[in-house]
Amino acid sequence: GQQLNQSPQSMFIQEGEDVSMNCTSSSIFNTWLWYKQDPGEGPVLLIALYKAGELTSNGRLTAQFGITRKDSFLNISASIPSDVGIYFCAGATLQKLVFGKGTKLTVNP
Amino acid sequence: NAGVTQTPKFRILKIGQSMTLQCTQDMNHNYMYWYRQDPGMGLKLIYYSVGAGITDKGEVPNGYNVSRSTTEDFPLRLELAAPSQTSVYFCASSTGQGFSPLHFGNGTRLTVT
Repeated sequence: GQQLNQSPQSMFIQEGEDVSMNCTSSSIFNTWLWYKQDPGEGPVLLIALYKAGELTSNGRLTAQFGITRKDSFLNISASIPSDVGIYFCAGATLQKLVFGKGTKLTVNP
Repeated sequence: NAGVTQTPKFRILKIGQSMTLQCTQDMNHNYMYWYRQDPGMGLKLIYYSVGAGITDKGEVPNGYNVSRSTTEDFPLRLELAAPSQTSVYFCASSTGQGFSPLHFGNGTRLTVT
């Protein structure tokens, strides 16, 4: 079946640092999504990417849909304490949505 | 708009007990989903529904049942709870048009002992 490899599994950074995480797959997807999950809450959509090569920003967040349609990355610039949480990528085709296992981000003030 | 609302937030069950996890959405979304989240394992799809009266199995349906009698509600039923069903359960909904992102509830944390 389709699987996503999300890395890194966890990150410990200092406030103000930039962060980069990515997802790769052996399968092609039509859509890439990035979600953030705060402790005790459900995932919330950060960015949706619908076109190969697309680069989209949402405030300090930037995500790209890989040109091969098999990967995506998410960058967070100038991290702040409230960036703490688990970040999930998800790849979608018309038939299926597959989630990565998440990147747990810890930001030290 | 409340979005997707799940109840209860927490529940402890004994092995063999049954319960229903409730999910309701007020966004008039056709598509609804149930996922379970285990530590370090991401989200696994249990069941989904593309509209009232229509449900289908996801990746991990064993031990669960669902029904969809209205657009708003999509309850998940555990008939004979097992320790392997200890998890956090998330309900989600989407418009289902093209590929539209999922909106998640805040989850139900279930422990089976």
